[in-house]
Amino acid sequence: AQSVTQLDSQVPVFEEAPVELRCNYSSSVSVYLFWYVQYPNQGLQLLLKYLSGSTLVKSINGFEAEFNKSQTSFHLRKPSVHISDTAEYFCAVSPFNDYKLSFGAGTTVTVRA
Amino acid sequence: GAGVSQTPSNKVTEKGKYVELRCDPISGHTALYWYRQSLGQGPEFLIYFQGTGAADDSGLPNDRFFAVRPEGSVSTLKIQRTERGDSAVYLCASSPKGLTGELFFGEGSRLTVL
Repeated sequence: AQSVTQLDSQVPVFEEAPVELRCNYSSSVSVYLFWYVQYPNQGLQLLLKYLSGSTLVKSINGFEAEFNKSQTSFHLRKPSVHISDTAEYFCAVSPFNDYKLSFGAGTTVTVRA
Repeated sequence: GAGVSQTPSNKVTEKGKYVELRCDPISGHTALYWYRQSLGQGPEFLIYFQGTGAADDSGLPNDRFFAVRPEGSVSTLKIQRTERGDSAVYLCASSPKGLTGELFFGEGSRLTVL
């Protein structure tokens, strides 16, 4: 079985400041890693994913996450946030060649001007 | 639009009643999932369909919960004899294939059991 821990439930941040959302996981097998985002009044959508290859993965809107196998982490970062990044962010894992996602409890990011 | 559609968006019912929640996935997506999200928690897996059959229903909490997908497209999650603990947001997701974790979610059906 897999489990995901998101260490921060709420992260307030000022516009144009950097943000880091922490995610640690535990699993007895190799996993795929994901960050999903839920903007206000919208459904969950995939932000970025790590399946294989380079451990640093990036989204089209400036977020990046790095897979660290030794620390079993997949932290999400953005060097400069916008008001529009206000949302809830979920880290998730699934075993290789499996379909079942295990989600963390989520981190709410609130960006203030 | 072309996204996953869930109805109703909100459902309030009384304890002991029967409830149906509907999911219309993205056209052409063969894999369909139901998740449940309780307040302050992340989504939890309930059931997975590949085509018409339930490939994995291990997440259904008990036999009051049942889901169908008779024609391999629309799915209905059915809850019998609802209890207050069933109150949650029920999320449906679909994907073109089932093995990469890249799910497309609907906005969810919020169920409140009084």
